[in-house]
Amino acid sequence: DTGVSQDPRHKITKRGQNVTFRCDPISEHNRLYWYRQTLGQGPEFLTYFQNEAQLEKSRLLSDRFSAERPKGSFSTLEIQRTEQGDSAMYLCASSSGQGTQPQHFGDGTRLSIL
Amino acid sequence: AQRVTQPEKLLSVFKGAPVELKCNYSYSGSPELFWYVQYSRQRLQLLLRHISRESIKGFTADLNKGETSFHLKKPFAQEEDSAMYYCALAPSGGGNKLTFGTGTQLKVEL
Repeated sequence: DTGVSQDPRHKITKRGQNVTFRCDPISEHNRLYWYRQTLGQGPEFLTYFQNEAQLEKSRLLSDRFSAERPKGSFSTLEIQRTEQGDSAMYLCASSSGQGTQPQHFGDGTRLSIL
Repeated sequence: AQRVTQPEKLLSVFKGAPVELKCNYSYSGSPELFWYVQYSRQRLQLLLRHISRESIKGFTADLNKGETSFHLKKPFAQEEDSAMYYCALAPSGGGNKLTFGTGTQLKVEL
């Protein structure tokens, strides 16, 4: 197992375009998390799933952001009508079990908006 | 609302010197606290968590509820400790949504 995998590693797009990122968690992990990290800041929680259920999405930054995990395995994060302020590193993490378990992070997808 | 504060953006020490990376938190319940580390060109990874009460790579951290702190300490810094360190908090009762501090860059000089 190579750990949490994210694709693509880098995405450059023009303002106003839609982008979609993919995250493949560690196979036996039932929880999956999305974070955003901007320069000089720590990761900021966006949303998380337990299996296919999205248990919290209130921290998604606007209605332009949406996430899915249709079969409880991989997840996608979509940003519609991108803006300059969306430029950031988008991190995915996964963990197992109930309660508070350590989260394992991917390498992230770096988004740059032209 | 929960908050994690890491007051130092950069901490520079000499090899063999003691290290203390500060972390203070604000949370009304009983949180779980973590230290994550990111070495150059590597992904963010867990270093230690307070409930484990263990030493990892010579680092320890004690949760002080009175001072709401979770400082990371190591008695003798090594060159390979140079990295970005993040303190993080998870609320009690599960959910596992981490709130991170802004991070401290540790530089160990020879």
